Amino acid sequence: EAGVAQSPRYKIIEKRQSVAFWCNPISGHATLYWYQQILGQGPKLLIQFQNNGVVDDSQLPKDRFSAERLKGVDSTLKIQPAKLEDSAVYLCASSLDFAGLFGETQYFGPGTRLLVL
Amino acid sequence: AQSVAQPEDQVNVAEGNPLTVKCTYSVSGNPYLFWYVQYPNRGLQFLLKYITGDNLVKGSYGFEAEFNKSQTSFHLKKPSALVSDSALYFCAVRNTGGFKTIFGAGTRLFVKA
Repeated sequence: EAGVAQSPRYKIIEKRQSVAFWCNPISGHATLYWYQQILGQGPKLLIQFQNNGVVDDSQLPKDRFSAERLKGVDSTLKIQPAKLEDSAVYLCASSLDFAGLFGETQYFGPGTRLLVL
Repeated sequence: AQSVAQPEDQVNVAEGNPLTVKCTYSVSGNPYLFWYVQYPNRGLQFLLKYITGDNLVKGSYGFEAEFNKSQTSFHLKKPSALVSDSALYFCAVRNTGGFKTIFGAGTRLFVKA
């Protein structure tokens, strides 16, 4: 079974530029998550999709971050414009079960390491 | 509000010795508890989880964890550490019926040969 795919693996941009990350979850997984992991910290949930609907985006900085999951499969996370403090690893995860109803296991992709100069 | 505490930034243990990585949590209602491991330049890998039932949960690579409701703890253990266990370990919690999983800050495990 193929795992969660993410691209690119690394990205270096200058502040105020824009950047986009792509995620393809495990086939058949209904729930997709985007996390931000700053060095030395645990992952922080940015947004959670159930199929193509948003379940939770309370910690997404909506003035600069946006995400979509068209057709309920793959997803794109965008930052525009980027700030220095956005330097982090962006992790995508997916799970089979409906969000919140079961103790579902999340399966993580390798992440995209973003450096904002 | 949910929270997870991993009180140790780093745990050092000699190969062959038992290891414990500590985790305490705070959540309203009953918790779902998870342990994940992260190797360098890789995403998180699932180790084990507690949903309900037996307080002792067995997972991948010989790891186990014990749910203690009275102490609100979910410590990760392994009877005999391997050098290859050296990695970053994250504890996570979600309350039943909730939508968000909260991760701890992580504990770096270093196993010395």
